[in-house]
Amino acid sequence: GAGVSQSPRYKVAKRGQDVALRCDPISGHVSLFWYQQALGQGPEFLTYFQNEAQLDKSGLPSDRFFAERPEGSVSTLKIQRTQQEDSAVYLCASSLSTWGYTFGSGTRLTVV
Amino acid sequence: SQQGEEDPQALSIQEGENATMNCSYKTSINNLQWYRQNSGRGLVHLILIRSNEREKHSGRLRVTLDTSKKSSSLLITASRAADTASYFCATDASGTYKYIFGTGTRLKVLA
Repeated sequence: GAGVSQSPRYKVAKRGQDVALRCDPISGHVSLFWYQQALGQGPEFLTYFQNEAQLDKSGLPSDRFFAERPEGSVSTLKIQRTQQEDSAVYLCASSLSTWGYTFGSGTRLTVV
Repeated sequence: SQQGEEDPQALSIQEGENATMNCSYKTSINNLQWYRQNSGRGLVHLILIRSNEREKHSGRLRVTLDTSKKSSSLLITASRAADTASYFCATDASGTYKYIFGTGTRLKVLA
């Protein structure tokens, strides 16, 4: 597609619920990144894929967070047993290389 | 954790004025990027400056980089109401692909 597509745009989850956030990167983009942006803050790195390989997951805040990109294109970020502190905007970015990201519009997750 | 700090945190100016925002970072870098984020939207890449460059221009944007001071500035000339947004710098630690974003400057341009 023309840009990075993320869905859903908004997600409200009850505390303890599992959620799955989808990222559809630009076709052919090798690199894919997930960032978490809390209200009023800059984005914070979560994880990085090169094709289907997850090369860095050092930013995932806990083992409740899991990301995959099984075929090297679409990626899913899954959060298990959501907590209120997980409320944030989750941004996906893709790139042909390791700079000049194209970001999606993000998924705003609210845990109530 | 945030690598960069933008200054000021918030800036309010009149249309037509210039806006300057600064970014400081902690580690050596290969390059530094500036992004814009409109409220509730994703980030838009504005400009990239490499560590061996000191100044770069793109339209009404001018970016400077001082690696000795680990700082960068973004100047928006002749600002417009449509420039109202948050602006972030992002740096890569040398040899890594991981971009670390600053805390952002919220710019408001009054018509």
